[in-house]
Amino acid sequence: GENVEQHPSTLSVQEGDSAVIKCTYSDSASNYFPWYKQELGKRPQLIIDIRSNVGEKKDQRIAVTLNKTAKHFSLHITETQPEDSAVYFCAARGTGGGADGLTFGKGTHLIIQP
Amino acid sequence: DVKVTQSSRYLVKRTGEKVFLECVQDMDHENMFWYRQDPGLGLRLIYFSYDVKMKEKGDIPEGYSVSREKKERFSLILESASTNQTSMYLCASSLGGAIVSYEQYFGPGTRLTVT
Repeated sequence: GENVEQHPSTLSVQEGDSAVIKCTYSDSASNYFPWYKQELGKRPQLIIDIRSNVGEKKDQRIAVTLNKTAKHFSLHITETQPEDSAVYFCAARGTGGGADGLTFGKGTHLIIQP
Repeated sequence: DVKVTQSSRYLVKRTGEKVFLECVQDMDHENMFWYRQDPGLGLRLIYFSYDVKMKEKGDIPEGYSVSREKKERFSLILESASTNQTSMYLCASSLGGAIVSYEQYFGPGTRLTVT
């Protein structure tokens, strides 16, 4: 099955700086890569996703890049703000059949320092 | 606006009890999922279902079963609860079907404690 590794587990950045979280996956046939944000005590919510036929996608301060050859994808947050503090999860959708099963990374706790 | 609800936010059960966790979605989604979330381990897929009465094992199905008798409802069953099943349980749903949308919508979670 799919295996997703996520780094770092904790990331602390100054407010206004950029943050980058990286993930690698094992199944070369995986075709969908979402990023979820989970604030303390709340449910995970999708913030951006990318499909395997696209190399980069941007939405305001958030961007995701995908390198299919190297089997890794990254989340980039620019001009970080206090409300960006949360746990971020990457995921990959393999092609094992059935429903849209996702394999998640273990999460990155992003801390924005004032 | 997609709404996924779970029957309880907090649940305390004793070892050996049979436990039912219920999840309901109101957007006519084909696919439904159960994950457990533990600190440092992320979200791990227990079971999923892509149609009524259909179910597939995820990565950690041992000790769990599921039931999907109606499209909107997906139940997770702990046949005999054990302390290592103390966790946060998250339900999710996605559109599925002919329209290719993989986004999963999560419920608020049920924090289960087994004593």
